[in-house]
Amino acid sequence: SAVISQKPSRDICQRGTSLTIQCQVDSQVTMMFWYRQQPGQSLTLIATANQGSEATYESGFVIDKFPISRPNLTFSTLTVSNMSPEDSSIYLCSVEDPAQGSYGYTFGSGTRLTVV
Amino acid sequence: KQEVTQIPAALSVPEGENLVLNCSFTDSAIYNLQWFRQDPGKGLTSLLLIQSSQREQTSGRLNASLDKSSGRSTLYIAASQPGDSATYLCAVNFSARQLTFGSGTQLTVLP
Repeated sequence: SAVISQKPSRDICQRGTSLTIQCQVDSQVTMMFWYRQQPGQSLTLIATANQGSEATYESGFVIDKFPISRPNLTFSTLTVSNMSPEDSSIYLCSVEDPAQGSYGYTFGSGTRLTVV
Repeated sequence: KQEVTQIPAALSVPEGENLVLNCSFTDSAIYNLQWFRQDPGKGLTSLLLIQSSQREQTSGRLNASLDKSSGRSTLYIAASQPGDSATYLCAVNFSARQLTFGSGTQLTVLP
């Protein structure tokens, strides 16, 4: 299976600041996906990141709040900007992983963000 | 709207019991269905993936079934252990590139 290294694993941040989350994959992948899991909720897709093009955002998520970079086929970052307590969530990256099966997915270990 | 529902939301069983977790989805036109495990505050670990053409998949004590026509999947855990305690998430691939998740079943296996 693909191995995803996600950093940081957790952070506590002041409101109004920004945090950048990194995901490094051990193989080249076309698309990387960023999800948010609010407390007690299930996962919601934020955006899909392709190398060499702008990320595609889902309804309710905007680039100014969640800018994404995808500089190469193994790396992506998600920034949570101008944070408020409502941004406290677990953020996860994911890639399509052929080892799981056709259209199967592997997830990173998550970033647990608390905004105070 | 394509939705995924998991019942029950929480389940507590004594060690050694066999159990079934349920997942239902609203659209039978799926690519596949994937079961994940999530430990508190952590990421997701893939357990089983069932393609739309398959009826079931097995891995160790886990067996997942899929009935597309009725929009249902079950995850069967045999001889449960305290280490199985976690939240189990069902995710349906309706569009090949995006997973739609259920809200999860929080399982507690009591020693």
